[in-house]
Amino acid sequence: EAQVTQNPRYLITVTGKKLTVTCSQNMNHEYMSWYRQDPGLGLRQIYYSMNVEVTDKGDVPEGYKVSRKEKRNFPLILESPSPNQTSLYFCASSLSGPGNTIYFGEGSWLTVV
Amino acid sequence: GEDVEQSLFLSVREGDSSVINCTYTDSSSTYLYWYKQEPGAGLQLLTYIFSNMDMKQDQRLTVLLNKKDKHLSLRIADTQTGDSAIYFCAEEGRSQGNLIFGKGTKLSVKP
Repeated sequence: EAQVTQNPRYLITVTGKKLTVTCSQNMNHEYMSWYRQDPGLGLRQIYYSMNVEVTDKGDVPEGYKVSRKEKRNFPLILESPSPNQTSLYFCASSLSGPGNTIYFGEGSWLTVV
Repeated sequence: GEDVEQSLFLSVREGDSSVINCTYTDSSSTYLYWYKQEPGAGLQLLTYIFSNMDMKQDQRLTVLLNKKDKHLSLRIADTQTGDSAIYFCAEEGRSQGNLIFGKGTKLSVKP
């Protein structure tokens, strides 16, 4: 079954404590990305990756890092989380090229206190 | 810059038609999309339309595209309570695979 899997699905953490949200896809997609969803703001792209070892900033990259060492995995790293990073995070993947279906993970609810 | 606008709320009665409207700014988008998000769930691709089409129909869903006015709409016929969700319109962003989403329209279906 085609899947984008994120972990953890729910997390409460404290300010400044580094955390990683993992994302894995089983569809051999080249393209992967991270979005955050906030009330009244919709979804905004944080980072994206066109292929292994190729990453670039999206619209709201501040406070986040990513890596793409393998095709299937694209972890999102918060080195020093702050309360304004409390959000719902979605990982997505697709094949390269326009018009390819973008698959989303089920979301990770992150609360930073 | 790129921007997608849609109204935030829509309330209809069960059995009626729902029409969710969206305006976008990037006329170079090859495809435009509608995603559905049910409470507590991720985004599910509902349908998409190629930019050289005016209309696409898929069972109860009809997508209309007015490229001149940069207006996209999603019509749901015979709306059911199970259609209650947030619906996002999206256009392609500046980089491949990047989608620019609207803020979402919350559809409430009353029995």
